[in-house]
Amino acid sequence: SQTIHQWPATLVQPVGSPLSLECTVEGTSNPNLYWYRQAAGRGLQLLFYSVGIGQISSEVPQNLSASRPQDRQFILSSKKLLLSDSGFYLCAWSREGLSYGYTFGSGTRLTVV
Amino acid sequence: AQSVTQPDIHITVSEGASLELRCNYSYGATPYLFWYVQSPGQGLQLLLKYFSGDTLVQGIKGFEAEFKRSQSSFNLRKPSVHWSDAAEYFCAVGGTASKLTFGTGTRLQVTL
Repeated sequence: SQTIHQWPATLVQPVGSPLSLECTVEGTSNPNLYWYRQAAGRGLQLLFYSVGIGQISSEVPQNLSASRPQDRQFILSSKKLLLSDSGFYLCAWSREGLSYGYTFGSGTRLTVV
Repeated sequence: AQSVTQPDIHITVSEGASLELRCNYSYGATPYLFWYVQSPGQGLQLLLKYFSGDTLVQGIKGFEAEFKRSQSSFNLRKPSVHWSDAAEYFCAVGGTASKLTFGTGTRLQVTL
């Protein structure tokens, strides 16, 4: 069966510090991978998605970047965090197409102080 | 562009009462439609999905949803709510690009 792992679960970082959130998927190959940010009352905002190694699409301009160094690994990064980067970050994977929907990780609560 | 509207931010129902959460979507063709549930501090769990066939779909935990093309709606229903159903519910729409667009969510509170 397929599983998705996301870590850390919580993170408190000072303004201006770097960020690295990691997401890995097991039990499947060539998944589509996604990073979402969830802010209170604003639903889920798609930040990045990837359909293959090294292929990253950015949905919104921001202080964050994403990379996919391996088929089942998706990393969200920042060189210098802003207060506005605080939020709940969710990684998800899907097969090609939407017949099975997305499967989400358990999320990372990031607080920038 | 695809979009989803969940008009109810917060709903409170009594345990044992029926539930309907509203979802309206905008998409040019036949969409893929989903309902997800999120408990506090957790990821999202898929409740049910629709992309073709019978317009009334059954999901996990006793939930069902009905696709109504004429109304561009995909409302979620449950005949009798349990206290454990208290959570946030998200409707989502997708198309050929494999990207899902989510609504802003409806928070369900269940009173005993």
